[in-house]
Amino acid sequence: GAGVSQSPSNKVTEKGKDVELRCDPISGHTALYWYRQRLGQGLEFLIYFQGNSAPDKSGLPSDRFSAERTGESVSTLTIQRTQQEDSAVYLCASSQTGLRHTIYFGEGSWLTVV
Amino acid sequence: GENVEQHPSTLSVQEGDSAVIKCTYSDSASNYFPWYKQELGKGPQLIIDIRSNVGEKKDQRIAVTLNKTAKHFSLHITETQPEDSAVYFCAASKELTGGGNKLTFGTGTQLKVEL
Repeated sequence: GAGVSQSPSNKVTEKGKDVELRCDPISGHTALYWYRQRLGQGLEFLIYFQGNSAPDKSGLPSDRFSAERTGESVSTLTIQRTQQEDSAVYLCASSQTGLRHTIYFGEGSWLTVV
Repeated sequence: GENVEQHPSTLSVQEGDSAVIKCTYSDSASNYFPWYKQELGKGPQLIIDIRSNVGEKKDQRIAVTLNKTAKHFSLHITETQPEDSAVYFCAASKELTGGGNKLTFGTGTQLKVEL
């Protein structure tokens, strides 16, 4: 597609369940990012993938959070044993390599933990 | 790590007036400063950005200024229109190993343009 695609767009889950969020980056974009946005707040960096390099996981809030990316394509963010404080919008973004390239965001996956 | 502060958190202007949003950053190594507009229920969209080798950039009604010495940068919107109403985020970044960017965002400004 033309933009960053995320699914599901909305997810309601029970506390303690695991969830998987998917991101399809723009074709040809080597860099992929996950951010979290709590209601009414700014974006928090979670994780960054660049080609075949080791991902930068420095923003993951706990070991319940993990992410994978296959090559330069789809990424999956997994949250295990969800807690209510995990409720947020999870935004994926992608870009080509280097500062001169714009980072494009998807519409986000709205996660509600009840 | 980088810390970005953004002010004001809310801003209400009359249609046709100018709006100014200000941000400060802490890491003197940051060299890329984008501004994003986020409409309700949508992802952020880049509206303008500036790199550290320039002090000002303009694109139609939108301009950004950068003062590297003071570590602050500002977004200026002139002749505001109702469709400018949204949340605006500033961010700061430096290039990561491997060529990516790790954006640190401000907390956002809710801009409301009133008729």
